[in-house]
Amino acid sequence: GAVVSQHPSWVICKSGTSVKIECRSLDFQATTMFWYRQFPKQSLMLMATSNEGSKATYEQGVEKDKFLINHASLTLSTLTVTSAHPEDSSFYICSARDPASGSTPFEQYFGPGTRLTVT
Amino acid sequence: AQSVTQLDSQVPVFEEAPVELRCNYSSSVSVYLFWYVQYPNQGLQLLLKYLSGSTLVKGINGFEAEFNKSQTSFHLRKPSVHISDTAEYFCAALPPGGFKTIFGAGTRLFVKA
Repeated sequence: GAVVSQHPSWVICKSGTSVKIECRSLDFQATTMFWYRQFPKQSLMLMATSNEGSKATYEQGVEKDKFLINHASLTLSTLTVTSAHPEDSSFYICSARDPASGSTPFEQYFGPGTRLTVT
Repeated sequence: AQSVTQLDSQVPVFEEAPVELRCNYSSSVSVYLFWYVQYPNQGLQLLLKYLSGSTLVKGINGFEAEFNKSQTSFHLRKPSVHISDTAEYFCAALPPGGFKTIFGAGTRLFVKA
């Protein structure tokens, strides 16, 4: 099956710094990727939809200047948490749909997640 | 608005016992339904999905789910669980032609020896 990778798998940063998380589709091209945030023992909260070559679409209540998303190519989307604060600590998961999966809807594959801790 | 409700936040069960994880959805239109499993500090893995056709869907790891349109339910079942099934399970819905998957709050399955 298709694979989505994330890097880093975990990161610790100091308050006020910025952190970039990469999401890659390893064996398929993804015109659309999704970024989720997951708090402990809670469900996934969709933050934004990342579209290759255009601006991301953010969900209501998500600060676009805080969480910068760049979908630079058909296999890479990045999430940058700017001026991170302890409340940004969370588990961030990306996913991508494979339009060539041959199924409807397109199969959605999830990355392994990135644990961000802001001290 | 569409929503997915998982009625149990935690389900403890002994090894080799059967288990059912409940999921109800609310939607005025047809939806695609999914069950995902998440192991600690990992992403989500698709267990099974219902798109159309037979209401009984079989997935990986011996899991199955039954779509019940009249009760708007999509409960997940396994006749005999293993310790390794201990994980978080998410029910999800996607409207046909829609883009955003809607997730339930999750059910923590804890299998005891």
